[in-house]
Parts: sequence; structure tokens; C-alpha cells
Amino acid sequence: DSGVTQTPKHLITATGQRVTLRCSPRSGDLSVYWYQQSLDQGLQFLIQYYNGEERAKGNILERFSAQQFPDLHSELNLSSLELGDSALYFCASSVAPTSPDTQYFGPGTRLTVL
Amino acid sequence: QQQVKQSPQSLIVQKGGISIINCAYENTAFDYFPWYQQFPGKGPALLIAIRPDVSEKKEGRFTISFNKSAKQFSLHIMDSQPGDSATYFCAAGGSNYKLTFGKGTLLTVNP
Repeated sequence: DSGVTQTPKHLITATGQRVTLRCSPRSGDLSVYWYQQSLDQGLQFLIQYYNGEERAKGNILERFSAQQFPDLHSELNLSSLELGDSALYFCASSVAPTSPDTQYFGPGTRLTVL
Repeated sequence: QQQVKQSPQSLIVQKGGISIINCAYENTAFDYFPWYQQFPGKGPALLIAIRPDVSEKKEGRFTISFNKSAKQFSLHIMDSQPGDSATYFCAAGGSNYKLTFGKGTLLTVNP
């Protein structure tokens, strides 16, 4: 158990809908990262927050957004969902603001878009 | 552009054998190279990591070998066990905070 929690575990929704994925980092970790894992693209970095502020951005679509709250939990919002958005979404957390740093992954949220 | 190339895609070894997974990177700004292990239905878990100031790092049965000039690094699993059967990902990180992952290697260790 990495100490990173993610909810929900599974999510099934329809095209065009909007969903919110939630992540709580390990106790003491200030950085949160979001990754998307699909069979064809592998693990892709989406976005990083450190202590409430966006720190780095990867291959995140404009339909996706994220934020980190004062209690350090983070939410990833996915809107106007398409079939291709079906994937595993992982959150990871780390202690330090500097990079590189050990990232601990949560169990993931499996999103299915029908 | 795939910045971290991992091979093989899949690997079958016998119990007690050595499993070897290779990765190559392109970006010389990378300075952190972790390996993650992922079991079905679970998130990736950090196995071992290396920085480019050393050529080898060993933790138990797991060893990373690093060749800076060739921009390659590899994971060796000694005395492979059926419980090691999982997907292994190499990754590379640098000052831009994100990790760039290889495509993964599905390791099967037969009893």
C-alpha cells in the first residue's frame, strides 16, 4: 500500500459526460501527479501540482483540468468525454518540490466511456 | 516521439533464472532513472532507482546497470521467482518534474 488513495475505483459513463476523479496524497507529500495509462499509449504524464499550484504540464487535453486543494487532495476533471478517454488514471505523490523525486502511485481509477 | 524505449515487450523465464529488461533514452537532460513494478489491477510501485553518477545499483535480487555514454540502462532480476511475474516499466526524469515511461515489459516466471 503506497499510502496514496484514489476514488472511485471504477467509473462507467457515457460519451459527452463529465467526471471527477479524486486523489489523496501520502501524508506529508506536497506534490501530486496525474497519469493516464492506456494499452496503446502506455503511462502518460498529464499534470503536476505542488502545494496547490500547477508545476508542470504534460499531454493533457484541454477538456481535462485539475486542481489541488488546501488540504492537498487533488481532483482531475474530465469533460466532453470520448470513447478514447477510456483508460486507467493514476495519481502519484512525492515529498519534495524539486525534481526528480520518488513518486508513489495510487491504485488508480478505471474509466470506461460507453 | 518516444523518449524512452523499452525492450523486450514480453519475457518468459524459468524460476531461478535471470530476467533482463533494457531501456534506452534520448534526452541527455534526464538524471533520474527509476524502475516500477505493476501487478494487474494495481498501481505501479517503485522497485529501484538510479542516478547517472553511478554505473550500478543493487537492492536484493534487483540490479540496475547504467551506461551514460550509451544512454542505456537495464534491470536485472536474479533468481527470478513466480511472484516476480508482473509488468515492469522503466522511466526517466529530469528537471521538468515529469517521469517519461517506457512501454513496459510483461515478465512471466514459470515455476
